[in-house]
Amino acid sequence: SAVISQKPSRDICQRGTSLTIQCQVDSQVTMMFWYRQQPGQSLTLIATANQGSEATYESGFVIDKFPISRPNLTFSTLTVSNMSPEDSSIYLCSVGVGLNTEAFFGQGTRLTVV
Amino acid sequence: GIQVEQSPPDLILQEGANSTLRCNFSDSVNNLQWFHQNPWGQLINLFYIPSGTKQNGRLSATTVATERYSLLYISSSQTTDSGVYFCAVGGNGNQFYFGTGTSLTVIP
Repeated sequence: SAVISQKPSRDICQRGTSLTIQCQVDSQVTMMFWYRQQPGQSLTLIATANQGSEATYESGFVIDKFPISRPNLTFSTLTVSNMSPEDSSIYLCSVGVGLNTEAFFGQGTRLTVV
Repeated sequence: GIQVEQSPPDLILQEGANSTLRCNFSDSVNNLQWFHQNPWGQLINLFYIPSGTKQNGRLSATTVATERYSLLYISSSQTTDSGVYFCAVGGNGNQFYFGTGTSLTVIP
């Protein structure tokens, strides 16, 4: 299993600003992922955070809006840039400890943009 | 991408009742997982079940991969079972694609 810590747990931000969310895992993991859950909706995969290379983004998500860093095997950040109220969501970090194994999720970051 | 449909979308149960939640997916998968999202937004792993049957207390799950569906059974439901249940599937790797969820309300 894996224990995932996300910071901040929640934030209220002004439109036009950026927020960086941190994800720390208690063990080295091969794969880290970022998801978004808009109010009342399901979870949508934003991107795969690749260690040592650029993240791989899903359709509809771009690096300029959601830059991702993965400096090592236990840490990743997601930045939500130039925020608008439509970015108000829960952002979740997820890891896989091996290929084709269960996913573990952090507790999420609840973002409100005003 | 893989399409994931869950049914029913909403379910209201009397405490003590049993229920079955269904997850249909559009393509073959290597990963399938059931989650419970509690009212505080926390995602709780229930089962990792790409095939076969598993049981954990009052909950059990069955996945028939060849027919592209999975079922989650909740027996003797309790008010603490309330929340949203998500099915998530994936191919190779650990990316998961989530269904729309089943919102369960258990009333005392």
